[in-house]
Amino acid sequence: AQSVTQLDSQVPVFEEAPVELRCNYSSSVSVYLFWYVQYPNQGLQLLLKYLSGSTLVKGINGFEAEFNKSQTSFHLRKPSVHISDTAEYFCAVSSPAGGTSYGKLTFGQGTILTVHP
Amino acid sequence: DTGVSQNPRHKITKRGQNVTFRCDPISEHNRLYWYRQTLGQGPEFLTYFQNEAQLEKSRLLSDRFSAERPKGSFSTLEIQRTEQGDSAMYLCASSLEGGVWEKLFFGSGTQLSVL
Repeated sequence: AQSVTQLDSQVPVFEEAPVELRCNYSSSVSVYLFWYVQYPNQGLQLLLKYLSGSTLVKGINGFEAEFNKSQTSFHLRKPSVHISDTAEYFCAVSSPAGGTSYGKLTFGQGTILTVHP
Repeated sequence: DTGVSQNPRHKITKRGQNVTFRCDPISEHNRLYWYRQTLGQGPEFLTYFQNEAQLEKSRLLSDRFSAERPKGSFSTLEIQRTEQGDSAMYLCASSLEGGVWEKLFFGSGTQLSVL
């Protein structure tokens, strides 16, 4: 079984400041890691993913995340945020071991990022 | 690519009534997923289909819940004898199976309120 913990339920930040949204996971098998974003009244959108290889992955809208296997973390970062980044962000894992689908995701509780002018 | 469509957007019902939601996936996608999201929580996996076959169901899916995908295209999720604890956002996602991972495309969800 897997679990995902997002350490901050809300993160307020001023425009053009850097931000980090924290995510820790627990799994007894190797996992794929994802960050999704949910804007108001819209469906979840994939920001970025880690499958294998380089531990630093870049996504859309200037976001990046770093996979740290020893700390079982996958924190999301952006060096300079915009008002339009205000949304809820979800960290998720999937583990296709055992024949289940890659699309069966375990999500964290979400972090609401609010960017203030 | 018109995206994943879910109807209705909102549903208010009285406890004990039956409700049905519909999901229309992206046309060429052969996999379809249902998730449930309660307030302050992330989405939780309920079930998924590959074409018309329902391949996996979560333990969260009680016997009051049933999902179908009769022709491998749209899907319906029915909840019988609704309870207040069923109040949640029900999300549908679709994907094209193949390769080392799947990109899920999510709909905007159906918000269910059970009074």
